Amino acid sequence: EVQLVESGGGLVQPGGSLRLSCAASGFIFSTYWMSWVRQAPGKGLEWVANIKQDGSEKYYVDSVKGRFTISRDNAKNSLYLQMNSLRAEDTAVYYCARGEVVLLDPWGQGTLVTVSS
Amino acid sequence: QSVLTQPPSASGTPGQRVTISCSGNSSNIGSNYVYWYQQLPGTAPKLLIYRNNQRPSGVPDRFSGSKSGTSASLTISGLRSDDEADYYCAAWDDSLRVFGGGTKLTVL
Repeated sequence: EVQLVESGGGLVQPGGSLRLSCAASGFIFSTYWMSWVRQAPGKGLEWVANIKQDGSEKYYVDSVKGRFTISRDNAKNSLYLQMNSLRAEDTAVYYCARGEVVLLDPWGQGTLVTVSS
Repeated sequence: QSVLTQPPSASGTPGQRVTISCSGNSSNIGSNYVYWYQQLPGTAPKLLIYRNNQRPSGVPDRFSGSKSGTSASLTISGLRSDDEADYYCAAWDDSLRVFGGGTKLTVL
C-alpha cells in the first residue's frame, strides 16, 4: 500500500524555524517528483514546493521563496521541508504528496504548523 | 488568491445530479489538463479526476469531468450523503497557484 506519513508540525513563534518530514512507503520513492501542499485553517489548498526525483530541481511558490527549503533523502525514502522565518500566515496543515504539481496522488494525512506568540 | 474560480458552495438532494464549475483562462485551463480533488471532512484531499475526465481506479463512475475552452466541470450523478465534501479543481499555471478556491458540496 502506498503511504505517506508527515511529522514535525507544532507550535512555533514568529520568526522561528521548523522542519517537516514525510516518510514514504509502498512505492519506489526515488522515481517520483514529490510536493508539499498546505491548507490554512478553514481555507483552500496552496501548492508550496516540489523536488525532482534526484533533487536536482526544486520549485517554490513565491510566498515561501527564500524562507522554505525542500529536500529529500532517497536512501531513507523521506521528504523534508525546512521552514525558516516563519510568519503567522504560514499557519496551516502541511501535506506531502506524490507528484509534480497538479497530479498529486496520494497525499499524506497532514501535519499542523501553528505560528503564534 | 486563486487563479481558478469555483463557486464557494453547491448543494443537492440524494439521487440528484450536481455540477461544479471551474473557470480559468487560456494559460491555465485553456492549455492544460484539469484535475479534481475531493476532501472529505477532516481528511486529506484525494485525487478524483485526472487529465480532464479520467478516473483513478476505485473512483465510482458517478463522478465525471469535462473541459471546454477555459472552463471545466465536475459532475456527480446519483448524489449520496457521503459525497458531502470540499471539491477542488487544479490546473497548471505559471504562477504555481494551481488550485481553485474550492466548492463545499452539501447534500440536503
